[in-house]
Amino acid sequence: EADIYQTPRYLVIGTGKKITLECSQTMGHDKMYWYQQDPGMELHLIHYSYGVNSTEKGDLSSESTVSRIRTEHFPLTLESARPSHTSQYLCASSDVGLTRAFFGQGTRLTVV
Amino acid sequence: QKEVEQDPGPLSVPEGAIVSLNCTYSNSAFQYFMWYRQYSRKGPELLMYTYSSGNKEDGRFTAQVDKSSKYISLFIRDSQPSDSATYLCAMRNAGNMLTFGGGTRLMVKP
Repeated sequence: EADIYQTPRYLVIGTGKKITLECSQTMGHDKMYWYQQDPGMELHLIHYSYGVNSTEKGDLSSESTVSRIRTEHFPLTLESARPSHTSQYLCASSDVGLTRAFFGQGTRLTVV
Repeated sequence: QKEVEQDPGPLSVPEGAIVSLNCTYSNSAFQYFMWYRQYSRKGPELLMYTYSSGNKEDGRFTAQVDKSSKYISLFIRDSQPSDSATYLCAMRNAGNMLTFGGGTRLMVKP
């Protein structure tokens, strides 16, 4: 059973607002990831972390930033939300070997 | 060209049919192969993972990997309406990064 949680599940926010999407896992995984997925489209990796104080950008350029101060927590922040940021954001974590990556339920963000 | 190609579908089958979902890939360094199922508005959940070539069975699901052809498949026997979802293949090399296919949308009609 995957224990990875994302909040909020749904968020509608105005342009220019700062938002933070939360992701927490209780499995003690070192590796965590953020993916962006538009409806009916493929997953795109935007950020990943191999452990505390480690963050890297993924394949898809994103204006968001992430931090990894604690192993279990990997929040994603948008300093100034824009309509182009409207999408679903999925957080995932994996064990050392990455043979099993577990996903959260996702945050569906709408910027109006 | 994408590293992992997957027909987006939709694939529509009657209940009880055998479903075949496929992915092709170009990177011969991929070693682990996974299938995820994603219901609408939910996160992907891991169905099966395999290492190298061969078959792996789990209940109604069989994963097949042919590294020589760079081709993987997921077979679903006795398909049910509850199997209706998007199925994503994923692969990784020794670098520990997952590469996903675009997903195939499956609809199983009662």
